[in-house]
Amino acid sequence: EPEVTQTPSHQVTQMGQEVILRCVPISNHLYFYWYRQILGQKVEFLVSFYNNEISEKSEIFDDQFSVERPDGSNFTLKIRSTKLEDSAMYFCASRGGLAASYEQYFGPGTRLTVT
Amino acid sequence: DAKTTQPNSMESNEEEPVHLPCNHSTISGTDYIHWYRQLPSQGPEYVIHGLTSNVNNRMASLAIAEDRKSSTLILHRATLRDAAVYYCIPNIYSGGGADGLTFGKGTHLIIQP
Repeated sequence: EPEVTQTPSHQVTQMGQEVILRCVPISNHLYFYWYRQILGQKVEFLVSFYNNEISEKSEIFDDQFSVERPDGSNFTLKIRSTKLEDSAMYFCASRGGLAASYEQYFGPGTRLTVT
Repeated sequence: DAKTTQPNSMESNEEEPVHLPCNHSTISGTDYIHWYRQLPSQGPEYVIHGLTSNVNNRMASLAIAEDRKSSTLILHRATLRDAAVYYCIPNIYSGGGADGLTFGKGTHLIIQP
């Protein structure tokens, strides 16, 4: 069964450093998403991406965040200058096209620890 | 986004049916009702969705109230693997948008062997 994959599974970085989280969505999907979940809290939507541009973003997704689909398979989330409060699980998700199911398929997540 | 109310936690026995309620009294007429679940240490997983009619799939059934202000996710025969946090999420499917899901706190379902 197709699945969303994410690398690395765990990333440790120092405050102020840049990190790139990587995702490989399901191959024929058209919509891509990033969410985060701070330990013990709710899953929070960050951004959605369609047709090579951001479709929607939350208040959390400020100028220090960016997303990119550098090729036909990868979808990345970059945090330019990490803060302690960026420590969280980051989930990538993808969804099929207009006529496809509404369901979003989530990856296993990347645990980001900022020290 | 429509506001949802779910019990913080519920407990059930293995192999028994489980009914997980959700109130979404501010839902708009075009919002679908989605249910996702999150198993421990995993990403969320789609369970089922519906608009007005009751829906069934291999994982669960979704019963939607006639006024659409509430819905119930039904697990017909719970297994230990069904222990998870279950989220009820009203979400518009615009057909062209890439709408992010708004997760609440959900219901933590505990299954006793």
